[in-house]
Amino acid sequence: GQQLNQSPQSMFIQEGEDVSMNCTSSSIFNTWLWYKQEPGEGPVLLIALYKAGELTSNGRLTAQFGITRKDSFLNISASIPSDVGIYFCAGRGYNYGQNFVFGPGTRLSVLP
Amino acid sequence: NAGVTQTPKFQVLKTGQSMTLQCAQDMNHEYMSWYRQDPGMGLRLIHYSVGAGITDQGEVPNGYNVSRSTTEDFPLRLLSAAPSQTSVYFCASSYRDRTYEQYFGPGTRLTVT
Repeated sequence: GQQLNQSPQSMFIQEGEDVSMNCTSSSIFNTWLWYKQEPGEGPVLLIALYKAGELTSNGRLTAQFGITRKDSFLNISASIPSDVGIYFCAGRGYNYGQNFVFGPGTRLSVLP
Repeated sequence: NAGVTQTPKFQVLKTGQSMTLQCAQDMNHEYMSWYRQDPGMGLRLIHYSVGAGITDQGEVPNGYNVSRSTTEDFPLRLLSAAPSQTSVYFCASSYRDRTYEQYFGPGTRLTVT
């Protein structure tokens, strides 16, 4: 089935640093979602993107829908300890109807 | 609103046993889905439903059954559990609009021995 690639797989950063991660697909998507998952919890929706080139913010988080429609980016500014978790991208393409495909996640650790 | 609820939180089964994972939502969402999460593999779609009485298979449906008799409930049945079904299972729901933004339950951690 369709696969999404996320990079990096994991990252260790100092508190206060900015974070960048991305998600790529071999297919064109019409919707990108970004989720955060904390240990023992379900994924929580952070940001949704619907148009190529779209840039959307949610507090210190900013995500962009790539202009090629095959990628998306998530940035976190001035990281804090509670940013720790796994960040997942999910994409929905024209051939998938209402279903999303999920990336394997980027595990973020924030060092005080 | 409770959102999406799942029971049980944890379950241990022996190979060959059957069980039902429960999922309910109180947001009047038409679309509901079940995923399994395995280390390093992200979330994989098992089954989904676009409304009461309508279900369809996702990417990894083998060994699982679903039904949707009401808008609120979408149970997942394991007929004969196998160790390969050890995983964390998530239920999600969304409106059937242009967004299909999915909201997840807290998950069920299943171990099959």
